[in-house]
Amino acid sequence: EDQVTQSPEALRLQEGESSSLNCSYTVSGLRGLFWYRQDPGKGPEFLFTLYSAGEEKEKERLKATLTKKESFLHITAPKPEDSATYLCAVMTTDSWGKLQFGAGTQVVVTP
Amino acid sequence: DADVTQTPRNRITKTGKRIMLECSQTKGHDRMYWYRQDPGLGLRLIYYSFDVKDINKGEISDGYSVSRQAQAKFSLSLESAIPNQTALYFCATSDGGTGANEQFFGPGTRLTVL
Repeated sequence: EDQVTQSPEALRLQEGESSSLNCSYTVSGLRGLFWYRQDPGKGPEFLFTLYSAGEEKEKERLKATLTKKESFLHITAPKPEDSATYLCAVMTTDSWGKLQFGAGTQVVVTP
Repeated sequence: DADVTQTPRNRITKTGKRIMLECSQTKGHDRMYWYRQDPGLGLRLIYYSFDVKDINKGEISDGYSVSRQAQAKFSLSLESAIPNQTALYFCATSDGGTGANEQFFGPGTRLTVL
């Protein structure tokens, strides 16, 4: 059975304190790994797609990386506006067009 | 203007009532999805549709039905609502033609079943 696990469940950071979120996956065959940001009371907002091990993508203070078993979302020098829940999702070769989501990591950045 | 809209945004109803949640999109995407989100469980797929004539059950379809009225409209119905269907419901779309596969979400409907 395909599984997506995110850790930690919650993360509290001081402004400027860099950290990483983890998304580990066990799937039959990975077609793509997706990162989303979700603010309270809103729909998830697409951030990145990673397709193959070794791939990296960046957007402002966020950098996503992918290995054969997990993905990391690095937050460099976070600001309070980076506070959100970060979701990862996988698309497998057996479920093309469908995403399976992890439970998310809630990040709070304090000034 | 929002590309994916959902109505209503909030709804409180009673056990046994029939409820319809509606989703419209102006992105021109062919694929549409319905998810529910519960605390600690993440997003779970209820139904999905890859075009107007294609409807598929997702992970948790029991108690739900859908209708794809047009390429831009996808409705979710709860025939007889029960309290454990209290959740946040999201509609999403994607473009099957690009191969990119990322999904774009609406603002959500908060449903409470008493």
